[in-house]
Amino acid sequence: DAGVIQSPRHEVTEMGQEVTLRCKPISGHNSLFWYRQTMMRGLELLIYFNNNVPIDDSGMPEDRFSAKMPNASFSTLKIQPSEPRDSAVYFCASSKAGGAYEQYFGPGTRLTVT
Amino acid sequence: DQQVKQNSPSLSVQEGRISILNCDYTNSMFDYFLWYKKYPAEGPTFLISISSIKDKNEDGRFTVFLNKSAKHLSLHIVPSQPGDSAVYFCAASEASWGKLQFGAGTQVVVTP
Repeated sequence: DAGVIQSPRHEVTEMGQEVTLRCKPISGHNSLFWYRQTMMRGLELLIYFNNNVPIDDSGMPEDRFSAKMPNASFSTLKIQPSEPRDSAVYFCASSKAGGAYEQYFGPGTRLTVT
Repeated sequence: DQQVKQNSPSLSVQEGRISILNCDYTNSMFDYFLWYKKYPAEGPTFLISISSIKDKNEDGRFTVFLNKSAKHLSLHIVPSQPGDSAVYFCAASEASWGKLQFGAGTQVVVTP
């Protein structure tokens, strides 16, 4: 299995620009999670989907952040407009549907907003 | 509100010795616990888990112990190897909930 795939691996953009991060979960996994890792806050959950439906987006920091999952094999996390404080590593993870299953993480996207 | 705490940011251990990583939690509704390992520039990888109906789970060199009354779990790595040098995250979940709460991580360095 290819594992969770994220693109791009690195993104450098200027403040005010739109940023789109992409994720392909493991085939057969029904839950998908977006995390952000920073030095200050550690690993924090932004949003998670179950069967392509957003279940909990309470971790999304502001309206500038949005996430979609149009089908079972693809999700995006968009930041518009981006700000320097959005600089972080963004991880996507997937797991079997519901319950307490281990989550499998992608390699992450390192975002730098200048 | 940090519900999962790893109070030791770093740990140095000699190769061949035991590494003990600790984790405390505050939410009594947590009933599933996991440990993840993370190398630089990679995503966290699942290591071992334990449900609240058990107090010990073992997988090769890795053993997780759970003390529900103390709201404490630990990860033992025996014997420690240089490849174990990584950041280890403790995570907890309410089973029916699915979300994981992560601790801040412990950087382990295994020296020859």
